[in-house]
Amino acid sequence: KAGVTQTPRYLIKTRGQQVTLSCSPISGHRSVSWYQQTPGQGLQFLFEYFSETQRNKGNFPGRFSGRQFSNSRSEMNVSTLELGDSALYLCASSLVGLADNEQFFGPGTRLTVL
Amino acid sequence: GQNIDQPTEMTATEGAIVQINCTYQTSGFNGLFWYQQHAGEAPTFLSYNVLDGLEEKGRFSSFLSRSKGYSYLLLKELQMKDSASYLCAAREDTGANNLFFGTGTRLTVIP
Repeated sequence: KAGVTQTPRYLIKTRGQQVTLSCSPISGHRSVSWYQQTPGQGLQFLFEYFSETQRNKGNFPGRFSGRQFSNSRSEMNVSTLELGDSALYLCASSLVGLADNEQFFGPGTRLTVL
Repeated sequence: GQNIDQPTEMTATEGAIVQINCTYQTSGFNGLFWYQQHAGEAPTFLSYNVLDGLEEKGRFSSFLSRSKGYSYLLLKELQMKDSASYLCAAREDTGANNLFFGTGTRLTVIP
């Protein structure tokens, strides 16, 4: 079966703009988690969505938001972009949620903020 | 708070054994994960430990000591394709059930 897909794979934006990233989980998976990966900070948890509801949230400012649709696809939005938002954004899907022992990661969206 | 520590880089020889250590501090604890990430690719799941002891899976083994807040990933019979970053992640159990990742250990396997 198809894996987790993320679009777009690469994105270049300027400071102050906003961006929307998309994640399609593995068929049948209802939980989608988003992570930010930077060389200095590693992988940091942004939030998790399950059945269209945000269930968990990491320590990121309100500029970072997301949503999940009825087909479990999820979008992440970052408003008023800052240079420090340049990172690889990964989403991961699992059957039920973070309580599962395995999350399947997508290839990521590489965001560059100029 | 949460803190995950692992070495930044390691180098080992093809065919050898390497141990990658990870220490963690979390608010509550509900499992320790290891992921492998090749450059430019997504992380892939390697192992999960929630009880003390060693879990073996082929050439890879993972160990956990909850009392010491310590885990290691053991890679045997190293192959060139094992060159990758290895990410340690602890799951807290405070209701939020989040995963906290270390910055990763970049392993280079040399001939």
